[in-house]
Amino acid sequence: SQQGEEDPQALSIQEGENATMNCSYKTSINNLQWYRQNSGRGLVHLILIRSNEREKHSGRLRVTLDTSKKSSSLLITASRAADTASYFCATDADSGYALNFGKGTSLLVTP
Amino acid sequence: GAGVSQTPSNKVTEKGKYVELRCDPISGHTALYWYRQSLGQGPEFLIYFQGTGAADDSGLPNDRFFAVRPEGSVSTLKIQRTERGDSAVYLCASSSLGTGGGYTFGSGTRLTVV
Repeated sequence: SQQGEEDPQALSIQEGENATMNCSYKTSINNLQWYRQNSGRGLVHLILIRSNEREKHSGRLRVTLDTSKKSSSLLITASRAADTASYFCATDADSGYALNFGKGTSLLVTP
Repeated sequence: GAGVSQTPSNKVTEKGKYVELRCDPISGHTALYWYRQSLGQGPEFLIYFQGTGAADDSGLPNDRFFAVRPEGSVSTLKIQRTERGDSAVYLCASSSLGTGGGYTFGSGTRLTVV
């Protein structure tokens, strides 16, 4: 079952702008991860945030987690055309290992 | 290897045929996962191996689907009597831990049943 839901479904911005994507989930988690997927093939792990963390940074990425609202956000700063991809959040609810993915946010960054 | 390798990258088969999809995980990764992704959807969990054993196969849709990992490294996902609804990208991932870490995904096998 797909637990995570990303919002918006699609986002179009210009290079240099910031992109914010949100994710909501339904049950308690151990951690939440964000992945990027280009052209509908392999997913690339971007960042993992644990349930006891509130914010995490990695390069141009900033992830927040609010377990009371069961939501997370991914911020990409100073976007580039190469950031064009689908972005998925994934939680490890229930089993602790099987990831539950949302439907993703499709990001288009235009030059 | 340096990454997770999946073969073939594309597979077209006729309805009713049997197919095998192969996954070669990162060397030393004990945990291996299979996911299936339909167009416009996120990946859906199929099966999880820890070592040679299937620790959780609750995501397999029906008994036409089976997966093995006999030596704890390479895994094969087997689909019998394929149906058009089986068409999807089949993704394999591995990790050094069963929990608590990021997964490395392969590029997937795009299966088309005609």
